[in-house]
Amino acid sequence: DTAVSQTPKYLVTQMGNDKSIKCEQNLGHDTMYWYKQDSKKFLKIMFSYNNKELIINETVPNRFSPKSPDKAHLNLHINSLELGDSAVYFCASSQVGTAFYEQYFGPGTRLTVT
Amino acid sequence: GIQVEQSPPDLILQEGANSTLRCNFSDSVNNLQWFHQNPWGQLINLFYIPSGTKQNGRLSATTVATERYSLLYISSSQTTDSGVYFCAVVEAGGNQFYFGTGTSLTVIP
Repeated sequence: DTAVSQTPKYLVTQMGNDKSIKCEQNLGHDTMYWYKQDSKKFLKIMFSYNNKELIINETVPNRFSPKSPDKAHLNLHINSLELGDSAVYFCASSQVGTAFYEQYFGPGTRLTVT
Repeated sequence: GIQVEQSPPDLILQEGANSTLRCNFSDSVNNLQWFHQNPWGQLINLFYIPSGTKQNGRLSATTVATERYSLLYISSSQTTDSGVYFCAVVEAGGNQFYFGTGTSLTVIP
C-alpha cells in the first residue's frame, strides 16, 4: 500500500506554463507538507497544512499556491514557471496534534523547466 | 530557525566497513528523524529518535538531546547503503522540520 503518493513523477514543461502536482496520503495524518530539494540536495519546507488549514508558508514566490481539498490531499499549483523552479518537489505527511511524530515522504516529482 | 549540521559531508567506504554519521543541532528539539535518500531519490525513514538509542538490523541511532547531537551507526556496510543520509529536527515549541545538509555515502565493492 502506498502511504504518500505524488503525481506526476516527472514533469517537463516550458517557461511561462502553469502546472500542478498532486499529493495524497492514506495514513490518516492531520498534517501535510511540500518541500523543495534543490540541485545541491538541500531540502527546504515550502508549505504545511494542518487539517486543511495553512500553518506554514515559507518565503516562496506567490506563483506557488497550495490547495488542500481535504486532509488527505495537498496539491501544489505553480503559475508562470521559471527556469529556477526546476527541482524535485516532495510531499510529506505526519501526525502532529500535541507533538510532532514521524514524517513520511512521497516519491518526489522532478520538475524540469526549459 | 534552528541550525542543523551533519558531518562528514561525504564518505566513501569499502563494503563491510563500519561508519558513524553525526547530526548537530543548535537548539532543543522535540523530534529528530534520520532518513536515507537512495540513488533513485526516494526518502526512506530510518529512525524516529528524539532521544535514546534504537537499533534496526545493521543500523542504529543514538540521540543525546541534552548535548544536541545524534549519531547514526552503519555496520558491515553494503553497496545498497549508498545514498544521502539526512537528519531532520523540530525545534522545541516549533512547528516545522528542519533538515540537515546531508552526508553522501558511497559504498564500493
